[in-house]
Amino acid sequence: NAGVTQTPKFRVLKTGQSMTLLCAQDMNHEYMYWYRQDPGMGLRLIHYSVGEGTTAKGEVPDGYNVSRLKKQNFLLGLESAAPSQTSVYFCASTFRQGPDSNQPQHFGDGTRLSIL
Amino acid sequence: AQSVTQLGSHVSVSEGALVLLRCNYSSSVPPYLFWYVQYPNQGLQLLLKYTSAATLVKGINGFEAEFKKSETSFHLTKPSAHMSDAAEYFCAVSDIRNTPLVFGKGTRLSVIA
Repeated sequence: NAGVTQTPKFRVLKTGQSMTLLCAQDMNHEYMYWYRQDPGMGLRLIHYSVGEGTTAKGEVPDGYNVSRLKKQNFLLGLESAAPSQTSVYFCASTFRQGPDSNQPQHFGDGTRLSIL
Repeated sequence: AQSVTQLGSHVSVSEGALVLLRCNYSSSVPPYLFWYVQYPNQGLQLLLKYTSAATLVKGINGFEAEFKKSETSFHLTKPSAHMSDAAEYFCAVSDIRNTPLVFGKGTRLSVIA
C-alpha cells in the first residue's frame, strides 16, 4: 500500500527554470492538496483539488499552477522558478464522504526543492 | 476565517516528564481539530482528531487532547515523554463546511535524557 507518493524527492533548479512535481495516491481519494513548508511558517496551502478536473487556489498560489487530469494524480508546476520558492513541498489527499464527515489527510514524504 | 496559534515554537522536556503542547483556534463555526506529528525528513502523520464527539480525544503513542470550547483550546498532552517523541507537532483546524485544513506554525519537541 503506497499511499501518497511524491516525485522527485530532491531537486535543484536555477532561477527561471521550470519543473513539475508529481503527486500520486492509490487510495481513491477525492481531495488532494499541495502545501509548502518553510521554517517557522508551518504548512501553507498552495492549491487544492476537490475532484478530477477541478482545482482551487489556497493561501499562497502565486507562481504555481496545478492540474488534476486524473483522479489519482495532482501535478504542481513552477513556470519560472524563483529563489523564494525554495522550500519543502508536501502533497496530501483525503476521502470525503459528505458534509459532516471530516477525514484526516494523508501526506507524502515531501519534495525538497532548492532554487539557486 | 479560521486560524490556529501554537504557543511556543520549541518545547523541551525531560524523559518521563509531562508533555504539554498548546493550541488555540479561531473559527466562526464548529471546528474540526487535528494534531499531526512530523519526524525528520518525513511527511505528517495524524496523531488524533476532534470532530464534535467526545471532548477528550485519545490518539496514538499515548497522546491525548481535550477540546475546550470556552477557552478555544485543543492542547496536546502525554503523561510521560519518551525519547522517540522528539519531533515537530502541528495543530490544524477545519470545520463542518469541509474547508481545507489551516495549520499552526508548529512546535518542536525535544526530549532530554
